[in-house]
Amino acid sequence: DVKVTQSSRYLVKRTGEKVFLECVQDMDHENMFWYRQDPGLGLRLIYFSYDVKMKEKGDIPEGYSVSREKKERFSLILESASTNQTSMYLCASSLVRGLSYEQYFGPGTRLTVT
Amino acid sequence: QQQVKQSPQSLIVQKGGISIINCAYENTAFDYFPWYQQFPGKGPALLIAIRPDVSEKKEGRFTISFNKSAKQFSLHIMDSQPGDSATYFCAALNAGGTSYGKLTFGQGTILTVHP
Repeated sequence: DVKVTQSSRYLVKRTGEKVFLECVQDMDHENMFWYRQDPGLGLRLIYFSYDVKMKEKGDIPEGYSVSREKKERFSLILESASTNQTSMYLCASSLVRGLSYEQYFGPGTRLTVT
Repeated sequence: QQQVKQSPQSLIVQKGGISIINCAYENTAFDYFPWYQQFPGKGPALLIAIRPDVSEKKEGRFTISFNKSAKQFSLHIMDSQPGDSATYFCAALNAGGTSYGKLTFGQGTILTVHP
């Protein structure tokens, strides 16, 4: 079974802090994604990566950056956390093969910025 | 810009009833339409998916109906059970070109099935 793990389930940070969210997948997937989930807004893509050191902006990249130094690990960085970044953050990975585009999600990190 | 619109935002159904969730999309290049199911404390997981060359796909109690001309698709849950209570997300993808499997998700529907 594909396993996507996220470093923390709950995180509380102060405004202005630098925050690192880590995601690791164990299935050698090329693609990895970071989303934030907010009530009524669904899942919104922040950044994605299709290979090591390769990244592309999603729909809401402002205030975030990412790093992918190894294939299995994709990090989301909040350079200076703000209260409007309080949210649930979900990481996902996928292997696009044939007609399969299934994304496998981690359990999420609930981040609170005070 | 919300390219996939999902409704309703929440839905309450009695056990044994039919749950229906609707989605509409704008981008005619979308050619893969999955539904994801998310239980509390878990990440979403793929439930069922359809491609536009068919109008319906059924897996057990779950059916996707697809209307290409209207640019709409819906999830039907027959004989709804309390264990189906979850948040459901529709999504869409343009499989061509360099999409890298990037999905566009709807806003989500919180389904509650009462015993």
